[in-house]
Amino acid sequence: QQQVKQSPQSLIVQKGGISIINCAYENTAFDYFPWYQQFPGKGPALLIAIRPDVSEKKEGRFTISFNKSAKQFSLHIMDSQPGDSATYFCAARKDDKIIFGKGTRLHILP
Amino acid sequence: GAGVSQTPSNKVTEKGKYVELRCDPISGHTALYWYRQSLGQGPEFLIYFQGTGAADDSGLPNDRFFAVRPEGSVSTLKIQRTERGDSAMYLCASSSANYNEQFFGPGTRLTVL
Repeated sequence: QQQVKQSPQSLIVQKGGISIINCAYENTAFDYFPWYQQFPGKGPALLIAIRPDVSEKKEGRFTISFNKSAKQFSLHIMDSQPGDSATYFCAARKDDKIIFGKGTRLHILP
Repeated sequence: GAGVSQTPSNKVTEKGKYVELRCDPISGHTALYWYRQSLGQGPEFLIYFQGTGAADDSGLPNDRFFAVRPEGSVSTLKIQRTERGDSAMYLCASSSANYNEQFFGPGTRLTVL
């Protein structure tokens, strides 16, 4: 049973455009929802995170939108740049265990 | 400061052999986590240490997998009688306390022939 469902699997966006990645979860016990960025050959790095009592969090060009009633959350990357090309994972935490989505491979066209 | 380091970066072994993967957490971090990442998938939790003890080992797939952290710092993931299905990237992460941000190492890519 996949606890965190992520889509799309891959995404191509023009430079300067908005990249949107969506995630859904089932377990209402999750208490923290981080997004990770992973470049080839590297471990995942925390990008931005949100708690379920907040509907939106913005850090620079990155915004998380959180819909608790729908059990969905999304990452928006504004003004996408070629350097943003990476794999992005949404995740959810319960009891100090992080459950990852399957990832989205993002490619920003120059 | 130095981040999480993992050695070796790559390990190729034959089916049935024993392997050890090492993780050096960020100095002073009390919590340490092991994850396994298969190609095209997200990391999957294996085991979590708080200090020297395994607080949660529910993600270990079977009894061929074992991990230790004898002095509360360096950890070793041990895999006995390796199988081809064990081929994956093994990631280690550490945090300054449980429920704090986890910092990941670069991983060890294990290939079982």
